[in-house]
Amino acid sequence: AQKVTQAQTEISVVEKEDVTLDCVYETRDTTYYLFWYKQPPSGELVFLIRRNSFDEQNEISGRYSWNFQKSTSSFNFTITASQVVDSAVYFCALRGSTLGRLYFGRGTQLTVWP
Amino acid sequence: DGGITQSPKYLFRKEGQNVTLSCEQNLNHDAMYWYRQDPGQGLRLIYYSQIVNDFQKGDIAEGYSVSREKKESFPLTVTSAQKNPTAFYLCASSIGTYNEQFFGPGTRLTVL
Repeated sequence: AQKVTQAQTEISVVEKEDVTLDCVYETRDTTYYLFWYKQPPSGELVFLIRRNSFDEQNEISGRYSWNFQKSTSSFNFTITASQVVDSAVYFCALRGSTLGRLYFGRGTQLTVWP
Repeated sequence: DGGITQSPKYLFRKEGQNVTLSCEQNLNHDAMYWYRQDPGQGLRLIYYSQIVNDFQKGDIAEGYSVSREKKESFPLTVTSAQKNPTAFYLCASSIGTYNEQFFGPGTRLTVL
């Protein structure tokens, strides 16, 4: 079975603070893919990153960074020096190797206050 | 510009009526998907299609139907059998089923 858990339902921070969004996944597949999406108030999901299970290197893109740890089945997302425009719902998703479909977590609502 | 379009953005229907939500993509993607989003529920897969003239049920297919007659189009019909159709519906597409999905702007359906 495939499952994604985002335990943080809502997070509030003040601008310029760093914030980490947690994602824990479950899968029996040895090859799988993890994703993060951002959903701003407009509603459209925006693709942020895809990570393959055989590549545990952390990734940094500007103020965004991702920490993938197979040992703890986690794929956490950190925003450094948060900005008001980062306010959105963030979804973590998993896809196994046997089926092409994505399994989404319930999302974390991030609010960044000025 | 390449992308995914969904129309209309807001849709109101009376209870008992069927309604069809449009999804079109010009990205030349093979796979297309329909999701339903309810507050606090995340995204749930309704149907997906890997190629033209083929589609599979997702987790909550009851009360919905789809067709895939053209590569660029994947309309979703919400039938009167769907007990609670009021929700936000998102369409997505990907090059193949193992690639990242790109989403349309969504349609918010309200059944009165």
